[in-house]
Amino acid sequence: IQMTQSPSSLSASVGDRVTIICRASQSITKYLNWYQQRPGKAPKLLIYSASSQQSGVPSRFSGSGSGTDFTLTISSLQPEDFATYYCQQSYSTPYTFGQGTKLEIK
Amino acid sequence: QVELQESGPGLVKPSETLSLTCTVSGDSISTYYWTSIRQPAGKGLEWIGRIHASGSTSYNPSLKSRVTMSVDTSKNQFSLKLSSVTAADTAVYYCARVQTEGLGENWFDPWGQGTLVTVSS
Repeated sequence: IQMTQSPSSLSASVGDRVTIICRASQSITKYLNWYQQRPGKAPKLLIYSASSQQSGVPSRFSGSGSGTDFTLTISSLQPEDFATYYCQQSYSTPYTFGQGTKLEIK
Repeated sequence: QVELQESGPGLVKPSETLSLTCTVSGDSISTYYWTSIRQPAGKGLEWIGRIHASGSTSYNPSLKSRVTMSVDTSKNQFSLKLSSVTAADTAVYYCARVQTEGLGENWFDPWGQGTLVTVSS
């Protein structure tokens, strides 16, 4: 299953609301996860099963979608949110990731 | 709190076998599936495979002919072996726990810090 994220990169300012889109090449129902990766660090789980927030993740992060189209929304960007975000499908193996969306400071 | 730590040689010669170990602390390795993922410098994430303590495995078809994963429950560790490596296998290799709620409903958390493996003569 191919996962495609858009945009590949995004410039935004602190306080902005941003949305990242992830599209699957076939229906994956709700089996979509989101990760945040800061430079030089391992990915960190933010959202699982499309819309469930991982414990400890700030409430400004939310996920939605089902079938083939999913979104990750950050309601009000904070300085620590500038990172790369990946979606990943767990509907079937081989598990696959999107190519990533790099969120940069404007 | 569960922690994972990758270990192994940072440099492997072409055509040889890459061997990495992931040590799990804070949880029993027998309870979950465990997975390996890699990331070439400046690129995205590639799933390598997963293993359960029962020995059940699933590998990425793109690597399947070269990958072997195994578990040592006595040491609370699992291992990844990738044979016949080339420069294209140079990457940061991560291990992670697979959290599962049901068929298809699973995610990777937490992750180890990752270890860089360079394939070069």
